[in-house]
Amino acid sequence: AQKVTQAQTEISVVEKEDVTLDCVYETRDTTYYLFWYKQPPSGELVFLIRRNSFDEQNEISGRYSWNFQKSTSSFNFTITASQVVDSAVYFCALSEALTGGGNKLTFGTGTQLKVEL
Amino acid sequence: EPEVTQTPSHQVTQMGQEVILRCVPISNHLYFYWYRQILGQKVEFLVSFYNNEISEKSEIFDDQFSVERPDGSNFTLKIRSTKLEDSAMYFCASSETGRTEAFFGQGTRLTVV
Repeated sequence: AQKVTQAQTEISVVEKEDVTLDCVYETRDTTYYLFWYKQPPSGELVFLIRRNSFDEQNEISGRYSWNFQKSTSSFNFTITASQVVDSAVYFCALSEALTGGGNKLTFGTGTQLKVEL
Repeated sequence: EPEVTQTPSHQVTQMGQEVILRCVPISNHLYFYWYRQILGQKVEFLVSFYNNEISEKSEIFDDQFSVERPDGSNFTLKIRSTKLEDSAMYFCASSETGRTEAFFGQGTRLTVV
């Protein structure tokens, strides 16, 4: 069975600090996708990134970067120079292809990030 | 930018009543999903829908739940007889293919009293 573990329940940082959110996953699939979603206080789920299991190249998008390590089954997310607007719950998710079509996301329990002035 | 739209944003219903949650997926997407998030907990998969039929459903998705794509644009989730434990945020999502990222709607907060 698929499993995603986000061990950090809550992290508090001061604005401009860097912060890394951890994600560890378990799967028996050889091909899979990993995702990060952001859930701000307004409640919606905002897609941040999708990663193919064959692509271990780290990715940077502005202040966001992702470190995918297949050897340790981890897909960590770093926010550089955090801002108050980054305050949200961040979910890591693992996809499982469905026989009938589509894919099913297994989410972690989320990490609540609080960025204070 | 295309987005998934859900209505209503908040629904309050009495236990035992039927509710229908509505979603308009992104227009060129072929795969549709419902997920649920009980307050303070993680997001859980309910059902996936492709080619006008359910492709997979979770244990949560029992006989009280049903989905429908009645008119080629809307995608609905019906709960036949709501229970208190159905209170949650319900998210609709859609994806262009079976392997691309799912885009989520803003959610419908269902409160069963």
